[in-house]
Order: sequence, then C-alpha cells, then structure tokens
Amino acid sequence: GESVGLHLPTLSVQEGDNSIINCAYSNSASDYFIWYKQESGKGPQFIIDIRSNMDKRQGQRVTVLLNKTVKHLSLQIAATQPGDSAVYFCAENTRDDYKLSFGAGTTVTVRA
Amino acid sequence: GAVVSQHPSWVICKSGTSVKIECRSLDFQATTMFWYRQFPKQSLMLMATSNEGSKATYEQGVEKDKFLINHASLTLSTLTVTSAHPEDSSFYICSATPSGRGNEQFFGPGTRLTVL
Repeated sequence: GESVGLHLPTLSVQEGDNSIINCAYSNSASDYFIWYKQESGKGPQFIIDIRSNMDKRQGQRVTVLLNKTVKHLSLQIAATQPGDSAVYFCAENTRDDYKLSFGAGTTVTVRA
Repeated sequence: GAVVSQHPSWVICKSGTSVKIECRSLDFQATTMFWYRQFPKQSLMLMATSNEGSKATYEQGVEKDKFLINHASLTLSTLTVTSAHPEDSSFYICSATPSGRGNEQFFGPGTRLTVL
C-alpha cells in the first residue's frame, strides 16, 4: 500500500506489501529528522533518523528518504507485518534547538 | 541501553487534587528532559524543557504554576499537575537526552492521567 498525498491520517496495507508513509515539514532550518512508532498506550519508539546532509538512510526493513527541496520526508517499510500496526510520527529539530516538533501522525493498519 | 521509565503508568484523581509524575533515565545521565502531553488521536505537544539544576522552560500557552517541573538530579525529573481538572486528563510522556548527545531523545512509556 502507498499513501497518496501528504498528511493522510490512516494507511491500510496488506500484510507482506510495502508501506510508504509521508510527512511534510515547514522549517527550512530543520536539519535532523526522526521517525517514531507509537503503539496504543505506549510512548514513541525510535525507528530511524536522518540528517539533512543525507537524502536516504536504510535500516532493518525501513528506509527514510529526505527531499529538502520540497521539505518532504518519507518512511518506507518493507514486507509489512501485523506488528507494524501503529501510529507513525515524523519529528524534526535544528542544530540550535533540540526541541522536537512532531507531525500529525499516520495510523497504519496491517490487514492479514 | 537508554531506557526511560515513568511512574505511575496511570493515575486517577479527583478534581482539585495534585498529581506528581516521575520520569527517570535508568542507565544514563540526562542533562535535559522534555515533557509532552498527548490527547487522544493527536500528536505529541511539547509542554516544557527541563534542565538539571535550573528552571524549566515552558512552551507558549503552558501554565508554569499549574505544571510544576523539577529536575533535581541527572536521572530524575518530576511533573506535578496542580489543582487538576478534567480537562487536564491526558497522556503525559517524558523524554530524556543523554548528556552530550543533544539531538537524541529517548521516550518514557507515558502516564495516563484521568481527572474525575
């Protein structure tokens, strides 16, 4: 499954398919970006991060892409599993201010 | 490593009472801790930045006299919700930044506050 457009609140994906979650940011000074996963009733869990001097970073089953030109960040999850069902947040901050600014979040539901 | 705990995990209190929430970094020292509030189906909103040994810095619109923050040691920050009202019911989450690692924040599991 793939989210169309930006800021979609929900994404339903078939188990085994790839997921793409999008995020837009507005602060051109942001230079550090993080994706978090939050399961119901729990705190955010770090997934992957990327700095502004990179445009792609890969982890285990996840890839983050950064397009600074259009201020867009995406998280790709390969072979989505039921355990990936959660709310995903992007967050950003700048080198001069370590306070994180969170996006609205996307709820991902994996269909068996 | 980098484990953050919160206590209690949930609390129910009567309107008008005060509630204290603890945030601890278990295996690292945290010069800076952050407190967030999250309403149902919403994102995390930063309430304040807590620096060890100094006064907390509050975000715009957050009442410092209502949400008292104390960061007395490098491993403990507390948030006290004073004279709680039903509208203060929320999920409160803290995060901690290891000393010298400014960008990274490790989050606690959150505290669910319900004010009757």
